[in-house]
Amino acid sequence: EAGVAQSPRYKIIEKRQSVAFWCNPISGHATLYWYQQILGQGPKLLIQFQNNGVVDDSQLPKDRFSAERLKGVDSTLKIQPAKLEDSAVYLCASSLRDISSPLHFGNGTRLTVT
Amino acid sequence: EDQVTQSPEALRLQEGESSSLNCSYTVSGLRGLFWYRQDPGKGPEFLFTLYSAGEEKEKERLKATLTKKESFLHITAPKPEDSATYLCAVQAWDGNKLVFGAGTILRVKS
Repeated sequence: EAGVAQSPRYKIIEKRQSVAFWCNPISGHATLYWYQQILGQGPKLLIQFQNNGVVDDSQLPKDRFSAERLKGVDSTLKIQPAKLEDSAVYLCASSLRDISSPLHFGNGTRLTVT
Repeated sequence: EDQVTQSPEALRLQEGESSSLNCSYTVSGLRGLFWYRQDPGKGPEFLFTLYSAGEEKEKERLKATLTKKESFLHITAPKPEDSATYLCAVQAWDGNKLVFGAGTILRVKS
C-alpha cells in the first residue's frame, strides 16, 4: 500500500511571501488531516476533512491559512502571507474512517520563513 | 481543555536496559489513547490504541498500559533501532481530534 505523499519536502521563503503544500492521501481513506509540528512540540491539528467537507478547522489561522480537498482526494494547504512563527513541519495524514482509525502520516514539508 | 504531558523529555539507555515512558492526560472523557513513534525527518508511525483502564497492548519490545490518568510505554531490552521520539495522543468522547503531547526522545546506545 502506497503511503501518504507530500511535496515539497523543504521550502524556504521570506516573510510576507506565500507558499503552498500538496498532499495525496492513501487511496480509499475518507479523512484527511493537516498538522503543524513546531520543533520540540507535538503535532497540532490545523484542519480535518472528511471526504469533501471540513470537520474541524478551529485551530486554523484563517486570516492567513487556507486549505482545500479536491474531489475528496488530494489536498493543498496555503499560507499567505507567511510569518516567522509559521516555520515548522507541516504534516499531512489520512485515516480510513474517522479520528478513531489509526492515522497514517506523510513525511511532511519543512518550512523555514526568514 | 484536553492536555497531554509526557515525561521524561529525553531518555538515554544502554542497549538491553529496560525502562518506561510516561504519558499523563487530562480529558473530559477518554475515547482513546494513541502511541506513535517518530523517526527524524519522518512522520509519526502508529503503534497502539488503548481504550480503557487496565488495557495492555504489546508489539515486539514495546508494551503500552493505561490507567485512568496516565499511560506507560514499557521498553524491554531496547536495541539501538528503538531510538526515536515517542508521541502520546488522546481523543475525547466529545471531540473529533487528537491532542498530542510533546513526546519523549529515546536514545539507545550499543
